[in-house]
Amino acid sequence: KQEVTQIPAALSVPEGENLVLNCSFTDSAIYNLQWFRQDPGKGLTSLLLIQSSQREQTSGRLNASLDKSSGRSTLYIAASQPGDSATYLCAGNTGNQFYFGTGTSLTVIP
Amino acid sequence: NAGVMQNPRHLVRRRGQEARLRCSPMKGHSHVYWYRQLPEEGLKFMVYLQKENIIDESGMPKERFSAEFPKEGPSILRIQQVVRGDSAAYFCASSPTSSADTQYFGPGTRLTVL
Repeated sequence: KQEVTQIPAALSVPEGENLVLNCSFTDSAIYNLQWFRQDPGKGLTSLLLIQSSQREQTSGRLNASLDKSSGRSTLYIAASQPGDSATYLCAGNTGNQFYFGTGTSLTVIP
Repeated sequence: NAGVMQNPRHLVRRRGQEARLRCSPMKGHSHVYWYRQLPEEGLKFMVYLQKENIIDESGMPKERFSAEFPKEGPSILRIQQVVRGDSAAYFCASSPTSSADTQYFGPGTRLTVL
């Protein structure tokens, strides 16, 4: 059974810092990997998708990478802003479903 | 191109009542997935449907829960005789083809059972 771990569970940083969120899967046979943002009481906003043939994706200040051999993904956020404060979820699919981590709760302090 | 739509966004039911959650996939998408997010927990897969077929219901509780995706109309997740433990956010996702595609998520329905 696929288990997804996200480290750290919570992170508080001052505005402007660069930061890295980590995600690991017990089963490295991941087809697609997505990073999402979830604001309190809200739905999921897709940030980056790494498809099966890819290893990395970038969007603005965000960069996500996937090492399939180890089953690990990282989300890099450059020059963090208070508006980045949210819970960040990684999810990978191995078949019919996406397996989600429990998230990293990020607080960026002005 | 509208995204995945779910309604209602918030639903309150008393114990023993029925809850019906609706999901309209993105245009052109024929694959629908339901996930549940319990308080303080991650999202968990419940069921995967294509038009008129249940493909994978391995994450669905065996009793009181059912799902359908008819030829016409939205997908419905039905919870009979709700209990307080059913209180959660229920998210629907859709994809254009197989489950290997990326999934696009709706805003969720927040069910509260009193």
